[in-house]
Amino acid sequence: ETGVTQTPRHLVMGMTNKKSLKCEQHLGHNAMYWYKQSAKKPLELMFVYNFKEQTENNSVPSRFSPECPNSSHLFLHLHTLQPEDSALYLCASSQSGQGAGGEKLFFGSGTQLSVL
Amino acid sequence: GQNIDQPTEMTATEGAIVQINCTYQTSGFNGLFWYQQHAGEAPTFLSYNVLDGLEEKGRFSSFLSRSKGYSYLLLKELQMKDSASYLCAVLDSNYQLIWGAGTKLIIKP
Repeated sequence: ETGVTQTPRHLVMGMTNKKSLKCEQHLGHNAMYWYKQSAKKPLELMFVYNFKEQTENNSVPSRFSPECPNSSHLFLHLHTLQPEDSALYLCASSQSGQGAGGEKLFFGSGTQLSVL
Repeated sequence: GQNIDQPTEMTATEGAIVQINCTYQTSGFNGLFWYQQHAGEAPTFLSYNVLDGLEEKGRFSSFLSRSKGYSYLLLKELQMKDSASYLCAVLDSNYQLIWGAGTKLIIKP
């Protein structure tokens, strides 16, 4: 039990579809993250939100659009994706997002996305 | 550039000991994390080292040498449930996490 829930677990979409990934954390944390995990590659940080404000966007293409309505919920809106966007998308949260003192991340189980 | 190196895959026998190495070259250093990720599941925190030396937590231990840019995760008395990927990550001078590609550990009976 990680306290971070992601839906859906699996998603197959065409390149012209629009879909959204949802993440919810029940830990009372103030920072939330989207990561992309591709096979045999390091985790890629996509977006960071601190207290609902976006503090980082790692040059992510505009076909990925994050939304953070409150500290507990995070969405990733997807549109006109490419096959190379197929990957596991992980949501994570942490207490403050400051990174110091060994602040650990709590991850959700991810959404396995396939773009056809 | 910043880089984290760890073996892609390792195989070990149930009941044995295995050491997973991680070497790093980063812009500064503010600590090193190890996470465990079972297939299809969330990564979960295992350890954090910021000072040199060995830290032990039950069957798992993590070692750090900052001067060598090196860490290892030591797993003792291996169990089948230890089959997973082990992710090494370094917090750089800007408190950004730099991740390795992970080591897939296969435990055989």
